[in-house]
Amino acid sequence: ETGVTQTPRHLVMGMTNKKSLKCEQHLGHNAMYWYKQSAKKPLELMFVYNFKEQTENNSVPSRFSPECPNSSHLFLHLHTLQPEDSALYLCASSQGTNGGEKLFFGSGTQLSVL
Amino acid sequence: GENVEQHPSTLSVQEGDSAVIKCTYSDSASNYFPWYKQELGKRPQLIIDIRSNVGEKKDQRIAVTLNKTAKHFSLHITETQPEDSAVYFCAAREGDTGRRALTFGSGTRLQVQP
Repeated sequence: ETGVTQTPRHLVMGMTNKKSLKCEQHLGHNAMYWYKQSAKKPLELMFVYNFKEQTENNSVPSRFSPECPNSSHLFLHLHTLQPEDSALYLCASSQGTNGGEKLFFGSGTQLSVL
Repeated sequence: GENVEQHPSTLSVQEGDSAVIKCTYSDSASNYFPWYKQELGKRPQLIIDIRSNVGEKKDQRIAVTLNKTAKHFSLHITETQPEDSAVYFCAAREGDTGRRALTFGSGTRLQVQP
């Protein structure tokens, strides 16, 4: 266990549903990230939060809405998703905020959009 | 922005042989190059990293080399074992004036045959 917990582990939703993914880190880190992992594609950065402030939005569609209430918690709110959004969504954290530190990943949420 | 190319996409070796995975990057200002290992169904974990002020780093059976002039870096695994079977991702971080989060390669699936 690396100290980064994601829930739920699996999620199936329809295109009209609204759901949220949750991530919590118990490592005292200052940066948190959302990554999308699709089959045979690179890990795609979605959002970065440093000290609970969003510092990067990698041109992510507005149907994905992140929320970071504090440095330990990160949410990804989902609404009106498309089938191509089906993927593994990984949360990560790092101690530092300049991108040059070890990332600690959660186990991910496997999302299926029907 | 940074672009990271990774080859090969799949690699099969016999137990005890060496394995080499190569990555190229586009931003000459990039200065941090980690490698992550993701076993089947598990989260990615950092196995080794290198910064731009060194050309080679070794940790037991794994080593990473960096050629800044050619903008490529490689992962070398010697005396491979079945437990080395996994997907390996390289990544690069842009310099201080660029995006600070990591850009990942598309991954190499390594299979070590017993």
